[in-house]
Amino acid sequence: AAGVIQSPRHLIKEKRETATLKCYPIPRHDTVYWYQQGPGQDPQFLISFYEKMQSDKGSIPDRFSAQQFSDYHSELNMSSLELGDSALYFCASSLVLYNEQFFGPGTRLTVL
Amino acid sequence: GENVEQHPSTLSVQEGDSAVIKCTYSDSASNYFPWYKQELGKRPQLIIDIRSNVGEKKDQRIAVTLNKTAKHFSLHITETQPEDSAVYFCAASNSNSGYALNFGKGTSLLVTP
Repeated sequence: AAGVIQSPRHLIKEKRETATLKCYPIPRHDTVYWYQQGPGQDPQFLISFYEKMQSDKGSIPDRFSAQQFSDYHSELNMSSLELGDSALYFCASSLVLYNEQFFGPGTRLTVL
Repeated sequence: GENVEQHPSTLSVQEGDSAVIKCTYSDSASNYFPWYKQELGKRPQLIIDIRSNVGEKKDQRIAVTLNKTAKHFSLHITETQPEDSAVYFCAASNSNSGYALNFGKGTSLLVTP
């Protein structure tokens, strides 16, 4: 069965640079969530989209923005990167009717 | 907002024993409670979930119970195997927040042969 796809899988950036993470949800899923997971921590909700509209916002810094496109893929744009942004970034998708969220493999972002 | 507490933070059991992880939540509007298993550097994997209109759910060696009145839910793993070793996260969500997951801090389970 098709799963959530994320790219790139690894990304290394310098401080103050920008980064774009991409997420391709499971086909026919209508909702996308973004989570940030620091080392040894639980995933923290950043932002979500339902049918291409922003659904909810969590602890997403103002330096970050995201959108969902007409083909349902989503992109997380991160600017003015800081050392503390180094983390695993997961995208999850679901059918809002059923709630189950399935996670992608994640993008490991390292900021030097 | 929702606050999910999870205990214990670490759990070590012998192969074949049972493991129990407990979580409490604060928002009475929460109505969906999934459990995820995460191996080091990998994605969280949904292993079982329960909704607020159900008190218990079982899937082979895994079961989850929910007490809405006390606002707590638990994961039970029976006949543990070394491959059950991982970090387990509980989570709570509700429609008010678009079902965004609020996770507990995680339990590191080690099953020794």
